[in-house]
Amino acid sequence: KAGVTQTPRYLIKTRGQQVTLSCSPISGHRSVSWYQQTPGQGLQFLFEYFSETQRNKGNFPGRFSGRQFSNSRSEMNVSTLELGDSALYLCASSGTGTGTYGYTFGSGTRLTVV
Amino acid sequence: GDSVTQMEGPVTLSEEAFLTINCTYTATGYPSLFWYVQYPGEGLQLLLKATKADDKGSNKGFEATYRKETTSFHLEKGSVQVSDSAVYFCALSDHNNDMRFGAGTRLTVKP
Repeated sequence: KAGVTQTPRYLIKTRGQQVTLSCSPISGHRSVSWYQQTPGQGLQFLFEYFSETQRNKGNFPGRFSGRQFSNSRSEMNVSTLELGDSALYLCASSGTGTGTYGYTFGSGTRLTVV
Repeated sequence: GDSVTQMEGPVTLSEEAFLTINCTYTATGYPSLFWYVQYPGEGLQLLLKATKADDKGSNKGFEATYRKETTSFHLEKGSVQVSDSAVYFCALSDHNNDMRFGAGTRLTVKP
């Protein structure tokens, strides 16, 4: 079956703009989590959605938001982009709805803010 | 809160050498433990997992044993290959959908 699909793979945006990233989980998976990966901070948890509800949220400013649709696809939005938002954004899905057996990650969206 | 500490890299080995990457954790409950691998330009791939104490996870020649007494989950491989060059992440999940990752260890294997 198809894996976790993230689009686009690469993005270049200007400071102050906003951006929307998309994630399609594995078919049947209802839990979708988002992570930000940077060389300095490593992997940082953004938020997790399950059945269209945000269940967990990391320690990021309100400029970072997300949502999940009824088909489990998820989007994350970053408004008023800053240079420090340049990162690899990873989406992960879980079939069990918990992290007990691990997540399946997408290949990520590489965001560059100039 | 729960956390994971893994050995800092980078680690450079010759092909066919023995690999150990240390990982220790702090958790209040009984988490599941994982090793993920990330190849250049890619997302994370689940390498192996263990869901309870004394479980041994294994995959592609890699092994790790869930040691509750030492709160450790060290990754080992008897004979590494150039294709094993990647970044390895230790992680735990407390079953509440909160997965914590270590900082990652970059492994380079030279022919």
